[in-house]
Amino acid sequence: DIQMTQSPSSLSASVGDRVTITCQASQDISNYLNWYQQKPGKAPKLLIYDASNLETGVPSRFSGSGSGTDFTFTISSLQPEDIATYYCQQYDNLPRPLIFGGGTKVEIK
Amino acid sequence: EVQLVESGGGLVQPGGSLRLSCAASGFTFSSYDMHWVRQATGKGLEWVSVIGTAGDTYYAGSVKGRFTISRENAKNSVYLQMNSLRTGDTAVYYCAGAVTGSFDYWGQGTLVTVSS
Repeated sequence: DIQMTQSPSSLSASVGDRVTITCQASQDISNYLNWYQQKPGKAPKLLIYDASNLETGVPSRFSGSGSGTDFTFTISSLQPEDIATYYCQQYDNLPRPLIFGGGTKVEIK
Repeated sequence: EVQLVESGGGLVQPGGSLRLSCAASGFTFSSYDMHWVRQATGKGLEWVSVIGTAGDTYYAGSVKGRFTISRENAKNSVYLQMNSLRTGDTAVYYCAGAVTGSFDYWGQGTLVTVSS
């Protein structure tokens, strides 16, 4: 099974900072990688699909890049409402498992 | 408006059973793969099971042989029969719909607590 390694597990940054999260797959997954935001007590929300495509309605300060095994999620200017846990998620051979990374908790410094 | 509403969670003793239900509305249910994803308190998201549009099913290793997923397109519903429950199964269980490789729709979750 493909494993997803997400880092860091947590980070603290100031409002306006650029925030970067990485996700590494244990084998080539092309661009089959999505990013979600989860706020406490809520279900996750899709932000980025297929590595770099912004979901409709999601602010443009969120972006994603990468292909193959290495992926990056960026918040260009951290806002207070971005405090959440972010997860990467890979897919392959649908409808087989949609595997999540371990998550990154983003806090305000 | 799209809605996924889970029900059936609760407190159960180790070794017991529960059946979760998820009722969908606002989208073409039969065209979506339906998943169950769980999250223990303070932990990350763990994929549990999926049933495809053709009825094919897959399970995480941690639940294989104990959980059974099913769907009833006529009722726009997906179910998760959970047997031989363990304390490690304690979590909020979400149902989620996906037509490609991303979860497009999520329910609000239902809490399952396995404890004596």
